[in-house]
Amino acid sequence: DIVMTQSPDSLAVSLGERATINCKSSQSVSYSSNNKNYLGWYQQKPGQPPKLLIYWASTRESGVPDRFSGSGSATDFTLTISSLQAEDVAVYYCHQYYSTPWTFGQGTKVEIK
Amino acid sequence: EVQLVESGGGLVQPGGSLRLSCAASGFTFSSYWMHWVRQAPGKGLVWVSRITSDGSSTGYADSVKGRFTISRDNAKNTLYLQMNSLRAEDTAVYYCSSVVTGIPGWGQGTLVTVSS
Repeated sequence: DIVMTQSPDSLAVSLGERATINCKSSQSVSYSSNNKNYLGWYQQKPGQPPKLLIYWASTRESGVPDRFSGSGSATDFTLTISSLQAEDVAVYYCHQYYSTPWTFGQGTKVEIK
Repeated sequence: EVQLVESGGGLVQPGGSLRLSCAASGFTFSSYWMHWVRQAPGKGLVWVSRITSDGSSTGYADSVKGRFTISRDNAKNTLYLQMNSLRAEDTAVYYCSSVVTGIPGWGQGTLVTVSS
């Protein structure tokens, strides 16, 4: 199974400041045939299902604010919130859908400092 | 737009059974693998099971192997999860999911509570 490791487990950021979450996979989640990274990022608020923010590691889902961006390739990925807003307080997960079993990072809790 | 709607959750006693359903729309259901993922209260996301587009092959997490059965009815655009011999540790919100044209789609989830 591919192990997904997120860091940090939690972070507190001032409003308007940048938040950065890292995700490392134990093996590549990139298909050489199409050069796509099968890595998604989700935001989850209490009592709600996960909301897809980013797919293919760097493609923003429709309707997601452009302060959210994803980067990285193969085994190392990053989710960046460029200017943290109050409504961004949530837990964030990375997810590899390159192979089954699907695996997820343990989650990163983002709070306001 | 991909829509996935889970149903069938509820309260069940340990050792009991429950069948979850996931109604799919907005995409060609019969062309895509389908998955179940669960989330225990206060915990992270855990993959449970998957089924190929034609239903010919299935896979399970070790924690549910031999107790849960995934199936699908492509004529009804519906995915199922038959859960038997339920344990307290199966308590979770269960989500169905699929990757359609490279984009993961998720339902709203259905809560399963295993308790006496």
